[in-house]
Amino acid sequence: DVKVTQSSRYLVKRTGEKVFLECVQDMDHENMFWYRQDPGLGLRLIYFSYDVKMKEKGDIPEGYSVSREKKERFSLILESASTNQTSMYLCASSSPGQNEQFFGPGTRLTVL
Amino acid sequence: DQQVKQNSPSLSVQEGRISILNCDYTNSMFDYFLWYKKYPAEGPTFLISISSIKDKNEDGRFTVFLNKSAKHLSLHIVPSQPGDSAVYFCAARDGNYGGSQGNLIFGKGTKLSVKP
Repeated sequence: DVKVTQSSRYLVKRTGEKVFLECVQDMDHENMFWYRQDPGLGLRLIYFSYDVKMKEKGDIPEGYSVSREKKERFSLILESASTNQTSMYLCASSSPGQNEQFFGPGTRLTVL
Repeated sequence: DQQVKQNSPSLSVQEGRISILNCDYTNSMFDYFLWYKKYPAEGPTFLISISSIKDKNEDGRFTVFLNKSAKHLSLHIVPSQPGDSAVYFCAARDGNYGGSQGNLIFGKGTKLSVKP
């Protein structure tokens, strides 16, 4: 059974703090994705990675960066958190040629 | 511009009746479509999918219909149950975005409420 875990379910940070969101998958998937979900806006792709050390910008990368040092781990970094980054962050993974993406439980981040 | 549109933000249905969730898309290069279900405070879970070479796929109470000429797909849930109450996201795979990997493009979601 595919398992995608995220380091925190709920997180509260202050404006200007550096924030790390961690995602780990146990199915040896090459592809990993970070989305944010906001009411009325659906799921929007922030960054994705198809391999270790590889990263590509999604639709809304501004204010974010990522790190993929190991195949199973994909980290999302908010260099200087701002209130408009308060959101639900979702990590997903998949294999090449596999259409379905498997999602983690999400991290609800609040920036005060 | 939105490539995957779910024009109904919410839908309320009586238990036992049919729920029909709709999705429209604009990109004719989409080759695979998926529906995800999401409960509050949880990640989306895959529900059912359909390839662009088919027009129907059925899995238990869930059926997805694809009308390529109209660029429209729908998810039918029969009979609807209170446990089906969730947000449903339509997603499309773009084979041209991300090369052979194909990223998914999601609609904004429809919140389904099934009333006992």
